[in-house]
Amino acid sequence: EVQLVESGGGLVQPGRSLKLSCAASGFTFSNYGMHWIRQAPTKGLEWVASISPSGGSTYYRDSVKGRFTISRDNAKSTLYLQMDSLRSEDTATYYCATDTYDYWGQGVMVTVSS
Amino acid sequence: DIVMTQGALPNPVPSGESASITCRSSKSLVYKDGKTYLNWFLQRPGQSPQLLTYWTSTRASGVSERFSGSGSGTYFTLKISRVRAEDAGVYYCQQVREYPLTFGSGTKLEIK
Repeated sequence: EVQLVESGGGLVQPGRSLKLSCAASGFTFSNYGMHWIRQAPTKGLEWVASISPSGGSTYYRDSVKGRFTISRDNAKSTLYLQMDSLRSEDTATYYCATDTYDYWGQGVMVTVSS
Repeated sequence: DIVMTQGALPNPVPSGESASITCRSSKSLVYKDGKTYLNWFLQRPGQSPQLLTYWTSTRASGVSERFSGSGSGTYFTLKISRVRAEDAGVYYCQQVREYPLTFGSGTKLEIK
């Protein structure tokens, strides 16, 4: 069974950092590009970042460029999102998903507030 | 950035009727390979999004034939035939032709 399980969310003060993880199982993780997608409370979906299967290519939305870093460890079948200099507008549920969007995690909540 | 604009539904939709959701992109979603890179998703309340169709009209694995995507260029439609209670939720279109990937604002479907 394919599973994507996010972790690492929580309440953090503005300007601080947080690192999300997405543990994959049930498929060959290294064959898939991956996405992070977020959803602010009561709002729609917003693409955040993507990474190629090897990790050699990464893409970011402008509002997180220079603050967020997407990475992966194919040996551990795990995707990461390092979030630095967090802002209140980063408050959202963060989902990881495969590049084909066939599989999504359950989401992890990140709240940026003082 | 490519802007995705979704239409609204005349909610609630009676069970057994059909519903069509429109999605318009600010730029053609046809890529140089000839494919049109438009996805549709359903997000049921409290759940993660689920892929319904990709390349405009190809149904994802396990998705009911009641869902059909159509369109070309910049105008797209998702038709849901014989709606059921389980179809309730918010539907999103997404362009994956180029970065940044962008979603429509969502269309809510309520069932009567």
